[in-house]
Parts: sequence; structure tokens; C-alpha cells
Amino acid sequence: DAGVTQSPTHLIKTRGQQVTLRCSPKSGHDTVSWYQQALGQGPQFIFQYYEEEERQRGNFPDRFSGHQFPNYSSELNVNALLLGDSALYLCASSFGQDDTEAFFGQGTRLTVV
Amino acid sequence: RKEVEQDPGPFNVPEGATVAFNCTYSNSASQSFFWYRQDCRKEPKLLMSVYSSGNEDGRFTAQLNRASQYISLLIRDSKLSDSATYLCVVEWKYKLSFGAGTTVTVRA
Repeated sequence: DAGVTQSPTHLIKTRGQQVTLRCSPKSGHDTVSWYQQALGQGPQFIFQYYEEEERQRGNFPDRFSGHQFPNYSSELNVNALLLGDSALYLCASSFGQDDTEAFFGQGTRLTVV
Repeated sequence: RKEVEQDPGPFNVPEGATVAFNCTYSNSASQSFFWYRQDCRKEPKLLMSVYSSGNEDGRFTAQLNRASQYISLLIRDSKLSDSATYLCVVEWKYKLSFGAGTTVTVRA
């Protein structure tokens, strides 16, 4: 049973560029959340998708957007990259409206130069 | 004020020791509580959920005090493999809020 998979694992982008990160949830899971983890910090909630809709959003600017597909996979898009966007981006999946036990992917390490 | 605040440590303990640490949270409406474990440069993994009645999973014991908005984790008989960062996590309306983590190093 595949767990949560994310791609790519590492990425280097230039300031001002745009990036798309991808996530496939654990089999049977229908909810996907995205987190940003800066070095030495805990993950920070970006947003959550359920039934292809953004259900909840953290304190991130509109440059951060996402999408969930009918097969429950998800994308995170970041526009106009800043140096401060350099971080580990984690995707977590869970099942159902009330189940909050989240399983995390290995993350995408984004470096903005 | 941060939503979840943790003692960052580091806690450096010998094998077999007991180590305990805690966190506090600011949102009194928080609904669920967890401890996650994160190894260096890896993804967080659920260690255990935390309940008001307190719960134990092997060598790990977690406590929740809703009145004080305080969560604790105790590790007994520490193993080298317990070396990790422990993240205190609080859930409210589908959103998980993480503390910055407490680093524990168990030495031989």
C-alpha cells in the first residue's frame, strides 16, 4: 500500500518564478493538506482540500494556491517566488470529514535563489 | 502569541533515562491533540493522540490538561532510537497547528 507520495523531492527556482508541487494521497484517503516547514520550525498549515474544494486556509498570501483532482491528488502552486519561500513543503492526507489523523509525504525541498 | 509553544530543548539523556517535556496552546476551542515525531530531514509521523484522561503507548505517556491548555509527553527507559524532534500538534476546524518541536538526543 503506497503511502503519501510527493514530487519532485528537490527543486531549485529563481526569485520571481512559479512552481508546482504534486501530491498523491495514501490509498483510501480523500483529504489533502499542505504545510510549509522552514528550517528549525514546525510545519505551518497552508491549506486543506476536500471534495476538490479548499476547505480551510492558513495565513499564507494569495501567491499560494492549490487544486485537488477527482482522484484526490493535489497540486500546490506558488507564484512570484521569494527567497523566504525556501522550505520543505509537506503534503498530508487523511480520510473523511472528521478524521484528522494525518499521514505525511516525504516532502519537496524547495530552494529559491 | 504562537498557537503552540514548546520547550525547544535540546534534551540530552542517557539510555534508560526518563525524559519529559510539554507544550502549551492558545486556542481553547482546540478539538484534538497529538504528538508527532520527526527524524532529521524526514516527514513527521504520528506518535500518539492525546486524551484528557491521559494515555499510554508502551514507554510513552501523554497527558492533556484542557483547563491549563497544556500537553505533556513522557518517555520512559529511553532508547537510542528515541532520538528525534517531537512535535506538539493541536487541531481546530481541520487545521493542524504544530509547535516548533522539542529535540531529544539519547546517548549510549
